[in-house]
Amino acid sequence: KNQVEQSPQSLIILEGKNCTLQCNYTVSPFSNLRWYKQDTGRGPVSLTIMTFSENTKSNGRYTATLDADTKQSSLHITASQLSDSASYICVVSHNNAGNMLTFGGGTRLMVKP
Amino acid sequence: GAVVSQHPSRVICKSGTSVKIECRSLDFQATTMFWYRQFPKQSLMLMATSNEGSKATYEQGVEKDKFLINHASLTLSTLTVTSAHPEDSSFYICSAPRGGRTEAFFGQGTRLTVV
Repeated sequence: KNQVEQSPQSLIILEGKNCTLQCNYTVSPFSNLRWYKQDTGRGPVSLTIMTFSENTKSNGRYTATLDADTKQSSLHITASQLSDSASYICVVSHNNAGNMLTFGGGTRLMVKP
Repeated sequence: GAVVSQHPSRVICKSGTSVKIECRSLDFQATTMFWYRQFPKQSLMLMATSNEGSKATYEQGVEKDKFLINHASLTLSTLTVTSAHPEDSSFYICSAPRGGRTEAFFGQGTRLTVV
């Protein structure tokens, strides 16, 4: 069964601090892994997308890593800002067209001043 | 900017009425679009796959007669919640994969409240 598990479920950090979100998956066949940011009441917005051969990808203060051997990914947020408060969703695609998606439960991040 | 536009962003309707939600791909054609439902503090749950020119494919447990999906053109899919009940109140999101790429773009979502 294709599954994507994220941890922690929720996280509170102080503004300016760094944090790392985890994503473990059991999806086959693996096509790509995406991290999305979802603000409350809005649709998800893509942060990064990585294929099997990519180990790391950055998007500003967001850096995602992928270990295809252990089937783990992480999203590191550097120098957090209040606007980073959102849900972060790990999504794994498991077909060649990239449109069969398995969603993680998300990590709800709150950044406090 | 947004490449998938969803409308309306929020709607309040009375029980028993029907509500139509539109999902448009703005600068690309999408033969397939996906409709999701999201309850508070939960992740997205796939409801159905909308296919241009053919019937939608519904996930197990989703009533096709209640959630009518029409993929009228290569840039437009609609979800109609028929005879809405308060338990249908939720956040509905569409997405469309972009042709030739593995990226999936999401609409802004529609907050449906049935009173």
